[in-house]
Amino acid sequence: NAGVMQNPRHLVRRRGQEARLRCSPMKGHSHVYWYRQLPEEGLKFMVYLQKENIIDESGMPKERFSAEFPKEGPSILRIQQVVRGDSAAYFCASSLGQAGKETQYFGPGTRLLVL
Amino acid sequence: ELKVEQNPLFLSMQEGKNYTIYCNYSTTSDRLYWYRQDPGKSLESLFVLLSNGAVKQEGRLMASLDTKARLSTLHITAAVHDLSATYFCAVDTGTASKLTFGTGTRLQVTL
Repeated sequence: NAGVMQNPRHLVRRRGQEARLRCSPMKGHSHVYWYRQLPEEGLKFMVYLQKENIIDESGMPKERFSAEFPKEGPSILRIQQVVRGDSAAYFCASSLGQAGKETQYFGPGTRLLVL
Repeated sequence: ELKVEQNPLFLSMQEGKNYTIYCNYSTTSDRLYWYRQDPGKSLESLFVLLSNGAVKQEGRLMASLDTKARLSTLHITAAVHDLSATYFCAVDTGTASKLTFGTGTRLQVTL
């Protein structure tokens, strides 16, 4: 059974470029979560999605960040016009059922470096 | 706002010694998780604690939960070098859609 998959594992962008991070949940999981981890810190929740719906985006910055989980294909976290402060590890997690009822399983993360 | 605090933030211990990591949280919790993270890696789920008084053990690690005190502990018995990692607790209140993570405890086991 494949776990949560994320790609790319490492991404380098220059300031002002766009970053697209992809997450494929575990087989059978329809709930996806994105977290951000700054160096030497814990993970901070960003957004919770089900297929075609954003359920909770309370942790998403108001500008430049967006997320989607289409009916077909992976979930995408998109960061427009990246700045150096966006450099972090971005982790995706998935669960079988709704948040608060099921364990979240984490992917390997995407390390974003903004030059 | 839910707050989750861990202490200590950094722990250096010798092989063979015992120690406890503490996780305090500020509101009622449906579930409490302990995760391990190696440098540059993802999070590995260690324990899920579901109810007051829950105790789980795996190898040299034992986790417990006291929901009345809003406290979880991760006890390390006879530490070995392979346990060196950062350990996070995370709280799931059941009413929100997210895990709230503690600050992490960086454990270094020396020979």
